[in-house]
Amino acid sequence: KAGVTQTPRYLIKTRGQQVTLSCSPISGHRSVSWYQQTPGQGLQFLFEYFSETQRNKGNFPGRFSGRQFSNSRSEMNVSTLELGDSALYLCASSLAGHTNTGELFFGEGSRLTVL
Amino acid sequence: GQQVMQIPQYQHVQEGEDFTTYCNSSTTLSNIQWYKQRPGGHPVFLIQLVKSGEVKKQKRLTFQFGEAKKNSSLHITATQTTDVGTYFCGRSQGNLIFGKGTKLSVKP
Repeated sequence: KAGVTQTPRYLIKTRGQQVTLSCSPISGHRSVSWYQQTPGQGLQFLFEYFSETQRNKGNFPGRFSGRQFSNSRSEMNVSTLELGDSALYLCASSLAGHTNTGELFFGEGSRLTVL
Repeated sequence: GQQVMQIPQYQHVQEGEDFTTYCNSSTTLSNIQWYKQRPGGHPVFLIQLVKSGEVKKQKRLTFQFGEAKKNSSLHITATQTTDVGTYFCGRSQGNLIFGKGTKLSVKP
């Protein structure tokens, strides 16, 4: 069974640009969560999608958005990039149903550098 | 949502020594999950605790959930260099909110 796949793995952008990151969950997983990881802040929750609906949202500005497609693949977008957006963006999928959070399976992450 | 607090932030041990990381919450937790992230890797699920006072073991790792379900701990007996990494606890309540992790380094 293939794991969670994230693309691209590495990217460099400049301030003001926008970026789209992609995540393909494990087959059969309908829940996809996104996290931002930085050395100082640890793993910070961005949002979670379940069956194409954003079910939960973390405390990030509106520049951070996401969506989920009917095949459960998810994308997140960051507009008007700032230097502080440099981070590892991790996607995780789970078999979580409507009420529970199951075990998360993480992808390798997309490392974004903003210059 | 309420974050969980993890201590210590860093721990340096000599190989063979024991290690413990603690996860604390001001509110009652429905359950708690533990993950390990190796340097350069991604978090990998270790265990989920659900019941008050629950204790689970995985080889040299012992996980505990407090009686009041407000704290949890991970104890590693006789650390090895393969234990190096950052250990995260996460509170599960609709989505998983993580503590900042405890970074473990092991000196051979």
